[in-house]
Amino acid sequence: SQTIHQWPATLVQPVGSPLSLECTVEGTSNPNLYWYRQAAGRGLQLLFYSVGIGQISSEVPQNLSASRPQDRQFILSSKKLLLSDSGFYLCACPSEGLAHEQFFGPGTRLTVL
Amino acid sequence: GDSVTQMEGPVTLSEEAFLTINCTYTATGYPSLFWYVQYPGEGLQLLLKATKADDKGSNKGFEATYRKETTSFHLEKGSVQVSDSAVYFCALSHLYDKIIFGKGTRLHILP
Repeated sequence: SQTIHQWPATLVQPVGSPLSLECTVEGTSNPNLYWYRQAAGRGLQLLFYSVGIGQISSEVPQNLSASRPQDRQFILSSKKLLLSDSGFYLCACPSEGLAHEQFFGPGTRLTVL
Repeated sequence: GDSVTQMEGPVTLSEEAFLTINCTYTATGYPSLFWYVQYPGEGLQLLLKATKADDKGSNKGFEATYRKETTSFHLEKGSVQVSDSAVYFCALSHLYDKIIFGKGTRLHILP
């Protein structure tokens, strides 16, 4: 069965500092991978998705970037964090054998001060 | 483009009350519809789904029916519990495509 690991679970960073959030997936191969952000009062926003190694699509212009160096690894980064980058970041992939559904990781809560 | 609209929260109910959270959608074709739930401090979990018109998804006492004619997928539960307190997201997707979520509805159940 699928498992998604996200690291770290929580993070407090100052404005202007860099960011690296990691997502790793087990129990599936060559999955589509997704990064979502949940900000207060704004619901769930799709940030990036990837259909394979090195392939990244950005949904909204922003201060963040994503990379997929390995089949089961998806990284969210920033060179300089903004206050508005605070939120709950979720990694997801399609549920095994169910192309319509998505399976979510436990999330990373980022607070930028 | 496709979109999902769900009722604004928070919704506060007493235990054993009847729950309805409204959800309507705009989409081309015939998307699948979902309700996801997020308990405090956790990621999202799929609560129920429906893949075609008139399908009823159900789980943990919650139900929702895919209504093509009204483009709706309202979530209902006959008797809520304190443990149902969470944020509920309505969502849609087409095959092999990304999921589009509503903004979420926070539900508080009072004992």
